[in-house]
Amino acid sequence: AQSVTQLDSQVPVFEEAPVELRCNYSSSVSVYLFWYVQYPNQGLQLLLKYLSGSTLVKGINGFEAEFNKSQTSFHLRKPSVHISDTAEYFCAVSDTPYDMRFGAGTRLTVKP
Amino acid sequence: ETGVTQSPTHLIKTRGQQVTLRCSSQSGHNTVSWYQQALGQGPQFIFQYYREEENGRGNFPPRFSGLQFPNYSSELNVNALELDDSALYLCASSSSQGSTYGYTFGSGTRLTVV
Repeated sequence: AQSVTQLDSQVPVFEEAPVELRCNYSSSVSVYLFWYVQYPNQGLQLLLKYLSGSTLVKGINGFEAEFNKSQTSFHLRKPSVHISDTAEYFCAVSDTPYDMRFGAGTRLTVKP
Repeated sequence: ETGVTQSPTHLIKTRGQQVTLRCSSQSGHNTVSWYQQALGQGPQFIFQYYREEENGRGNFPPRFSGLQFPNYSSELNVNALELDDSALYLCASSSSQGSTYGYTFGSGTRLTVV
């Protein structure tokens, strides 16, 4: 069965610094991978997705992620963060048409 | 285009009661999925509806049930509420039978069971 592990529950970082949020997955078949962001009291917003093709995926708000099949990872990166990036970030994996599994989330806090 | 709307936004119920949560899918989307997000955790898949039929189900008991209507809106019903049912319930819609292209999520219904 598919599962997702987000390796850091909290990531504090200063404004304009780079950040990496780590995600490992397990699945016995080909998977689709996603990153979502959740701002306080809101639903989840899709940042980016990997379906196939290039392993480097670019998303909204300057985020990108790299799919690494050998390491079963899909880490999210941003070269320079802003205060407005403070939010909860969820990695998700899907290997069936209907079941998307989410990690426990990483709380990104950007400090001035 | 309109997004996914959920109602109500907040709800307080007593243990043992029944609750119905509602979701209007994004225009053009025919698939609706429901997720439960407990405090401090990631969303957990409850079930998905495609063309008015249940298309898949997560590890939730039968007292969690749902419906999808011809206009693709959906309801989540929970019977015999338990304290552990307190959570944010998220509805997500997509334009295909599944999650391949990513979901559009609503803002959720915060359910508190006392």
